[in-house]
Amino acid sequence: DSGVTQTPKHLITATGQRVTLRCSPRSGDLSVYWYQQSLDQGLQFLIHYYNGEERAKGNILERFSAQQFPDLHSELNLSSLELGDSALYFCASSVAGRGTNAQYFGPGTRLTVL
Amino acid sequence: GIQVEQSPPDLILQEGANSTLRCNFSDSVNNLQWFHQNPWGQLINLFYIPSGTKQNGRLSATTVATERYSLLYISSSQTTDSGVYFCAGAQGAQKLVFGQGTRLTINP
Repeated sequence: DSGVTQTPKHLITATGQRVTLRCSPRSGDLSVYWYQQSLDQGLQFLIHYYNGEERAKGNILERFSAQQFPDLHSELNLSSLELGDSALYFCASSVAGRGTNAQYFGPGTRLTVL
Repeated sequence: GIQVEQSPPDLILQEGANSTLRCNFSDSVNNLQWFHQNPWGQLINLFYIPSGTKQNGRLSATTVATERYSLLYISSSQTTDSGVYFCAGAQGAQKLVFGQGTRLTINP
């Protein structure tokens, strides 16, 4: 158990819908990262938040958005869903800036868009 | 950005065999991690190893930072070692860039 929690574990929805994925980082970690794993693209970085502020963006679609709240949990919002958005979405956390930069991954949310 | 190349892409072994997985980086990194993705999709942290050598049971890893590569050794393989092994690197407190993975199959 990495200490990072993600909900829900599985999500099945239809094209055009909107979903929210939730992540709670390890206790004490200020950084949250979101990654997408799809069959054709592999594991790709989406976005990084540090203590509530966006720090870096990767290949994140405009239909996707994220935020980190004062209690440090984060949410990834996916809207106008398409079949190609079906993937495993991981959240990771790290202390970032103090000591090790190791990232610890949650169990993931498997999204299926029908 | 950095690029990560893993080899071999696939590896099939009998239980009890040893294996070496390699990861090459196109540029220097100060965060290097190895993961095992199990059949249920979970990414399990194996090592945080930007340099040096670490061991954890039957697994060990060595990173030669000056030559930009890392090796993961698995000894006395068990069927539960099957899955995909990923290495990933980052520069600073930045995004991890993953390799394409090595799919390891351990047959009984």
